[in-house]
Amino acid sequence: GAVVSQHPSWVICKSGTSVKIECRSLDFQATTMFWYRQFPKQSLMLMATSNEGSKATYEQGVEKDKFLINHASLTLSTLTVTSAHPEDSSFYICSAPRASGSYNEQFFGPGTRLTVL
Amino acid sequence: GQSLEQPSEVTAVEGAIVQINCTYQTSGFYGLSWYQQHDGGAPTFLSYNALDGLEETGRFSSFLSRSDSYGYLLLQELQMKDSASYFCAAARMDSSYKLIFGSGTRLLVRP
Repeated sequence: GAVVSQHPSWVICKSGTSVKIECRSLDFQATTMFWYRQFPKQSLMLMATSNEGSKATYEQGVEKDKFLINHASLTLSTLTVTSAHPEDSSFYICSAPRASGSYNEQFFGPGTRLTVL
Repeated sequence: GQSLEQPSEVTAVEGAIVQINCTYQTSGFYGLSWYQQHDGGAPTFLSYNALDGLEETGRFSSFLSRSDSYGYLLLQELQMKDSASYFCAAARMDSSYKLIFGSGTRLLVRP
């Protein structure tokens, strides 16, 4: 089956620094990827839709300048948390649709646990 | 607004059958997906209903009633490894296609 990877799997950083998280589709192309945030024992909250070659679409309440998304190729999307603060500590997960037009079935990456001190 | 409600926790014994319900309220509704997530892991796709009725995939079945804005996931012959969180997710389209996840149900399977 299709595989989505994320790097790093976990990161600890100081408050005020920026952190970049990579999401790659390993054996298929993804013109669209999605970024979610998940707090412990809670649901996945959609943050933004990453579109290859164009600007990301952010959900209401998500700061565009805080969470920078770049989808530079058909297999890579990056999420940069800028000037991170402790409240940004969370589990960040990306996903990609199994196939174009099959958005209901998503392949998820293993997630990145961000801890901001 | 948009919301998907699920029971927070369900407990069942090994070998039993359990049903996890999901009621939704969302515009631009396309269909209902179900995902499984073990602690610390990635969600994995289980099933999708675009039309009313029952979809069966091995031990797992999923049902959708659009008129009732309701769906459920049915797990049969429960195994210990089925202990996980289960999320319903509404596929919807507004400016773009997206999945909106429900609150999640933690299933605990006991011997």
